[in-house]
Amino acid sequence: DIVMTQSPDSLAVSLGERATINCKSSQSVFYSSNNKNYLGWYQQKPGQPPKVLIYWASTRESGVPDRFSGSGSGTDFTLTISSLQAEDVAVYYCHQYYSPPYTFGQGTKLEIK
Amino acid sequence: EVQLVESGGGLVQPGRSLRLSCTASGFTFGDYLVSWFRQAPGKGLEWVGFIRSKAYGGTAEYAASVKGTFTISRDDSKSIAYLQMNSLKTEDTAMYYCTRSVGTGWPFDYWGRGTLVTVSS
Repeated sequence: DIVMTQSPDSLAVSLGERATINCKSSQSVFYSSNNKNYLGWYQQKPGQPPKVLIYWASTRESGVPDRFSGSGSGTDFTLTISSLQAEDVAVYYCHQYYSPPYTFGQGTKLEIK
Repeated sequence: EVQLVESGGGLVQPGRSLRLSCTASGFTFGDYLVSWFRQAPGKGLEWVGFIRSKAYGGTAEYAASVKGTFTISRDDSKSIAYLQMNSLKTEDTAMYYCTRSVGTGWPFDYWGRGTLVTVSS
């Protein structure tokens, strides 16, 4: 199984500041035949289902604000929120869909400082 | 508008069975893979299993934790996917979500709001 490890477990950032969440996979989720990383990022607010923010490591889902961006390749990935807004308070998960069993990071709780 | 609505959750005793449904609308259900995920209270996300579209054989795959006790099926004529859960254990207590993707190796773009399963005596 591919193990996904996020850091940090929790993060407090001031409004308007940058937030960075890291994700490392135990094996590469990059498929060379199509040059894609099978890595997504989800946001989950209390009492709500996960919402996809980013897929293929860096493609923003339609309707997601451009302050959210994803980067990385192979085994190391980053989700960046360029200017934190109050509505961004949530738990964020990275997720590999490279091969089943599909797995998630443990989650990073993002709060306002 | 794409919608996935889970139903069938509730309180069930250990060892009993429960069948969840995922009713889809707003897209051609038969063209999509349907997957189930779950989230125990206060915990992270766990993949349960998926069923491929008929175009890709309609076969299912499961997480090791549920293989042999959970079964996923689909009725494309009704746009419904099912999760049959047998021999339930207390550790199966979770919110169960259904999702869709274009196929294996594609992201899950829409999620239902979930249905809560509580396994307790």
